[in-house]
Amino acid sequence: DTAVSQTPKYLVTQMGNDKSIKCEQNLGHDTMYWYKQDSKKFLKIMFSYNNKELIINETVPNRFSPKSPDKAHLNLHINSLELGDSAVYFCASSQDASATTNEKLFFGSGTQLSVL
Amino acid sequence: GDSVTQMEGPVTLSEEAFLTINCTYTATGYPSLFWYVQYPGEGLQLLLKATKADDKGSNKGFEATYRKETTSFHLEKGSVQVSDSAVYFCALVPNDYKLSFGAGTTVTVRA
Repeated sequence: DTAVSQTPKYLVTQMGNDKSIKCEQNLGHDTMYWYKQDSKKFLKIMFSYNNKELIINETVPNRFSPKSPDKAHLNLHINSLELGDSAVYFCASSQDASATTNEKLFFGSGTQLSVL
Repeated sequence: GDSVTQMEGPVTLSEEAFLTINCTYTATGYPSLFWYVQYPGEGLQLLLKATKADDKGSNKGFEATYRKETTSFHLEKGSVQVSDSAVYFCALVPNDYKLSFGAGTTVTVRA
């Protein structure tokens, strides 16, 4: 079983559309994250949830809205997609949000989003 | 804020060559330092870590030593293989507990 799974793996869509990326972890972790990786491989944190509560919300457009129905799931909804949203989005999880454990993140395999 | 800076890629080398990827950090306290690796088509995986000065992290033939005096955590491997082709990320956990990644260095090893 995949520890952190995200779907879809590839997503191609037109500008202006609304899309969602789903993430699930079966590790029993309390904390989940969304990262964005641009074309130059730079990885930037977007959001983090601990036990369904938002704890990190970096400077991200309001068009991006995370939703955590339970601590095993963290979905990312994007409204009014723009060309600049094209990137690879990674979901990750860690045991909890403390300094001693959040260092070890378990990543999903990524969702490559292409906005045309 | 606290951050890491790593050497730009891409890096291309032959099998059995020596690999070094430089990483320096800026931090107000004493962060923990990490190297993550991303193989093609996969998410990142923790490669090694060091939590205090002079600690050496090692895994899969890779090593990195936490150097407080030079604020560095350079990644080294004595003899690379084709299977080491990947993107390598230096990272730190500063006082605010948010794991911060460097820009990533793409390494390609040719047979």
